[in-house]
Amino acid sequence: QKEVEQDPGPLSVPEGAIVSLNCTYSNSAFQYFMWYRQYSRKGPELLMYTYSSGNKEDGRFTAQVDKSSKYISLFIRDSQPSDSATYLCAMNTNAGKSTFGDGTTLTVKP
Amino acid sequence: GAVVSQHPSRVICKSGTSVKIECRSLDFQATTMFWYRQFPKKSLMLMATSNEGSKATYEQGVEKDKFLINHASLTLSTLTVTSAHPEDSSFYICSAHIRDMPTGKLFFGSGTQLSVL
Repeated sequence: QKEVEQDPGPLSVPEGAIVSLNCTYSNSAFQYFMWYRQYSRKGPELLMYTYSSGNKEDGRFTAQVDKSSKYISLFIRDSQPSDSATYLCAMNTNAGKSTFGDGTTLTVKP
Repeated sequence: GAVVSQHPSRVICKSGTSVKIECRSLDFQATTMFWYRQFPKKSLMLMATSNEGSKATYEQGVEKDKFLINHASLTLSTLTVTSAHPEDSSFYICSAHIRDMPTGKLFFGSGTQLSVL
């Protein structure tokens, strides 16, 4: 069983829709939770970084962490065509190496 | 934000040759650099972790004699694919962790698409 499971997608939504991206994990030692956005043939870019249960908002993006359920989500409000990309969740213990999900590819249609 | 410069972005080489990929942190010191391989529609597969001035730590199943990693300074790490073969064709990405930044906050290079003929 993988330590991090990410909803595989792909996901296709109309412009303006609310998008929900999700990951579950099995390692209770994970303390830090990240969401990265990766455009095709480019390196990932850090979008959100959290380390406690609850919600963290940054513009149209909200990261949600539920440590009791071992579940994290990324919500995108008012989605735009420029949000079309692959989204990767990632998690860390205190030791340092990140464990990544397999990614969810999102397409936002104008 | 922090910038990690990775070169080349694309390289095509003949089987048996060696290819060097550079990852440079601009305007900051990268205490740790990570090298990944990514297959189409798959996630990042960590190959090795390198700390400045010390030998790289390779993940299980990664041949350290084939994928040579050098982290000679706090701003430069290189990955050399030696005697490349078609099965080494892949997208290679580096990332850097900045000193005193929170655990897990990584800055990635733009990736290198390697094609071995």
